[in-house]
Amino acid sequence: EDKVVQSPLSLVVHEGDTVTLNCSYEVTNFRSLLWYKQEKKAPTFLFMLTSSGIEKKSGRLSSILDKKELFSILNITATQTGDSAVYLCAVEALHSGNTGKLIFGQGTTLQVKP
Amino acid sequence: KAGVTQTPRYLIKTRGQQVTLSCSPISGHRSVSWYQQTPGQGLQFLFEYFSETQRNKGNFPGRFSGRQFSNSRSEMNVSTLELGDSALYLCASSFPTSGRASEQFFGPGTRLTVL
Repeated sequence: EDKVVQSPLSLVVHEGDTVTLNCSYEVTNFRSLLWYKQEKKAPTFLFMLTSSGIEKKSGRLSSILDKKELFSILNITATQTGDSAVYLCAVEALHSGNTGKLIFGQGTTLQVKP
Repeated sequence: KAGVTQTPRYLIKTRGQQVTLSCSPISGHRSVSWYQQTPGQGLQFLFEYFSETQRNKGNFPGRFSGRQFSNSRSEMNVSTLELGDSALYLCASSFPTSGRASEQFFGPGTRLTVL
């Protein structure tokens, strides 16, 4: 059965700290891995990763994928209180008719204290 | 361009009742997917509709069903509600021809509480 596991499940840090969120997966017909940020509403897209070893970066956030070891990490440097959210990792698996479906991890709840 | 809208935003029902949730995709999007989000299980895929046909289905009992109309709006129905159905139900839409789950835009969700 396809599975996506995130760790830690929750994390409390102080502003300025650097955090690393982990996502491992066992998915048949892997297509891509995605990171979303959810703040009590709709998940918003952060990154999509398809190739191993290529870092995606957006401001203080960065992410990388290792397709051999089947995991990804999301790094947030110089954290701010506005980074407090649930971070979701999802793997897109190829499904019937060349369509894809998303399999989500449980999410990591990040709280950044002032 | 307006985003994905879901109605109602909050709903309280009792066990045994049934409920219908609605999702209006972004204009031009023809694929609509539904997800259930709970603290214990996280976000789980329910089903996807494209051009009024169910294209993919997750591992949920038959009490969960859906449909899509010709204007791409979608409804999800849950019959004989159970306490465990309490969750945030998210809808996501995507552009018609891509077939890629990754290019999905999520709505704000409907928070369903079953008492």
